[in-house]
Amino acid sequence: AQSVTQLGSHVSVSEGALVLLRCNYSSSVPPYLFWYVQYPNQGLQLLLKYTSAATLVKGINGFEAEFKKSETSFHLTKPSAHMSDAAEYFCAVSGTGRRALTFGSGTRLQVQP
Amino acid sequence: EAGVTQFPSHSVIEKGQTVTLRCDPISGHDNLYWYRRVMGKEIKFLLHFVKESKQDESGMPNNRFLAERTGGTYSTLKVQPAELEDSGVYFCASSLTGGAKGDTQYFGPGTRLTVL
Repeated sequence: AQSVTQLGSHVSVSEGALVLLRCNYSSSVPPYLFWYVQYPNQGLQLLLKYTSAATLVKGINGFEAEFKKSETSFHLTKPSAHMSDAAEYFCAVSGTGRRALTFGSGTRLQVQP
Repeated sequence: EAGVTQFPSHSVIEKGQTVTLRCDPISGHDNLYWYRRVMGKEIKFLLHFVKESKQDESGMPNNRFLAERTGGTYSTLKVQPAELEDSGVYFCASSLTGGAKGDTQYFGPGTRLTVL
């Protein structure tokens, strides 16, 4: 069985500040991990994914995430927040057998001017 | 290249009525998925098609939900009869086949279903 926990349903940062969105997973098989973003009135867009290659994964829009097996974590970071980063972010996991994604509950990021 | 499209974008129906949602995947994508997000909850998997076959339907909540993918192209998800708890946003996603290493699922904009 797989599960994902996202700590903090709402995160607020100032423009230019570090963004840190937390994701912890549970998986009985080697996981594939994903971060998706949903902007208002749009579908989910893939930010980045981990598929057992490099543990530090770089994505679009300056985001990156580090896979830490010992901590079962895949936190999303961005050094400097921009107003356009305001959106809802979802962490998800899938396994080697079942392709369906298991999502966390989402974190809504607010960026203050 | 067109992305995943879904129709309608919004649907408001009364309890007991029938609603059919449609999803057109990215051309050439054999894998098609349906997910649902009930308000305030996480996005949950409903089912997975490979071409026209149901690969995994473990997430379907009950027999009021019927999904089809005729000819392995577009898919429909019918809810009959609709209940209040069916309200939410229904997402469709598609991916290429053969991507054993976490193939990327591309999502549509979703259909917001409201059952009154």
